[in-house]
Amino acid sequence: DTAVSQTPKYLVTQMGNDKSIKCEQNLGHDTMYWYKQDSKKFLKIMFSYNNKELIINETVPNRFSPKSPDKAHLNLHINSLELGDSAVYFCASSQSTGWTEAFFGQGTRLTVV
Amino acid sequence: DQQVKQNSPSLSVQEGRISILNCDYTNSMFDYFLWYKKYPAEGPTFLISISSIKDKNEDGRFTVFLNKSAKHLSLHIVPSQPGDSAVYFCAAPRADLAGTALIFGKGTTLSVSS
Repeated sequence: DTAVSQTPKYLVTQMGNDKSIKCEQNLGHDTMYWYKQDSKKFLKIMFSYNNKELIINETVPNRFSPKSPDKAHLNLHINSLELGDSAVYFCASSQSTGWTEAFFGQGTRLTVV
Repeated sequence: DQQVKQNSPSLSVQEGRISILNCDYTNSMFDYFLWYKKYPAEGPTFLISISSIKDKNEDGRFTVFLNKSAKHLSLHIVPSQPGDSAVYFCAAPRADLAGTALIFGKGTTLSVSS
């Protein structure tokens, strides 16, 4: 049983398209995150949700819109994709906002051509 | 503003020897540190952590040392095994976000040869 699963694992798309990445956790955690690993290999927080409420939006362009239908799911929708959006996107979850140990999904490698 | 730094992008070690991975930080407000391990095409997995009230934490072959005066921590793996070959990230809860997210170093790629 995968604790944090995200789909798809690979996504290749053209500039200007809209795409979504889905994430689900079966750990019963209250908090979920989206992290981005860019070409320089830094892992940076994008968004954090606690019990379906947005608590962190780390100056991400508004083309990126997270949606949490319930506390086990946090999807990421990206509009008007740009070349610079190419990266690996990781979903993660933790027990609560004050719980630092986060569990990560396998990542989605997004390539915009 | 890179507040967690891993200055060695790679490290090669022979099987059975000690691996020492280093991490420096700039923010003295950090009070908890974590190490994550990442294999290719997988997400990072939590390895070991240390609170700033300790200077050492051990879990099997993995030991993390914290030197607060030097703002430096290190991960020791003894003995190293080929399966330890991975990217290791040092991380800390972001003080500016009340600890609600992690800031990561750039990672060190460890290669353990048999």
